[in-house]
Amino acid sequence: NAGVTQTPKFRVLKTGQSMTLLCAQDMNHEYMYWYRQDPGMGLRLIHYSVGEGTTAKGEVPDGYNVSRLKKQNFLLGLESAAPSQTSVYFCASSLTLVGRTEAFFGQGTRLTVV
Amino acid sequence: SQQGEEDPQALSIQEGENATMNCSYKTSINNLQWYRQNSGRGLVHLILIRSNEREKHSGRLRVTLDTSKKSSSLLITASRAADTASYFCATHNTGKLIFGQGTTLQVKP
Repeated sequence: NAGVTQTPKFRVLKTGQSMTLLCAQDMNHEYMYWYRQDPGMGLRLIHYSVGEGTTAKGEVPDGYNVSRLKKQNFLLGLESAAPSQTSVYFCASSLTLVGRTEAFFGQGTRLTVV
Repeated sequence: SQQGEEDPQALSIQEGENATMNCSYKTSINNLQWYRQNSGRGLVHLILIRSNEREKHSGRLRVTLDTSKKSSSLLITASRAADTASYFCATHNTGKLIFGQGTTLQVKP
């Protein structure tokens, strides 16, 4: 049981380049989330999904797009990377049942935009 | 802005002492959760308290929730060096899971 897997683990991009971060979960969870973590800022929600085919904006969605074509996968895209998007990105998933919404996290993707 | 805010931002104690961290939030919630993050790792869920609960225990952890004050506290009793980590509260409401900025706990041997 792999849980939540993020790929890649590390990436360096040049300003203006694009990339897609992949999150895969094997727990049949409905909810999936993308966060970024910056020093002193905690985790900030970028986008989330409450089910296959649905996405919604979080706290800091600008500059990012997401897709949830399959229940087990949640993709985060950066169309034109900027240095301000240098961060550690975490994906998480959870069940939908009230009181059972504890999230399981991936190990993170460290992205540097130069 | 973030839903939850932790206090203090940093805490340093001796092994064996208790550690208390507080979390305040702004809007209504379904539940409140606490997570731990070891350096360089993903977050790990510790405990969840529902909006209709006031206190919950799990091993050396005790969580309280006061919905009238929109606040929660996490108490770690008899701390160990292995408890050194960052601790985050997170509030859940209609699919969104919003985290606070966290408390960094250092437990000295």
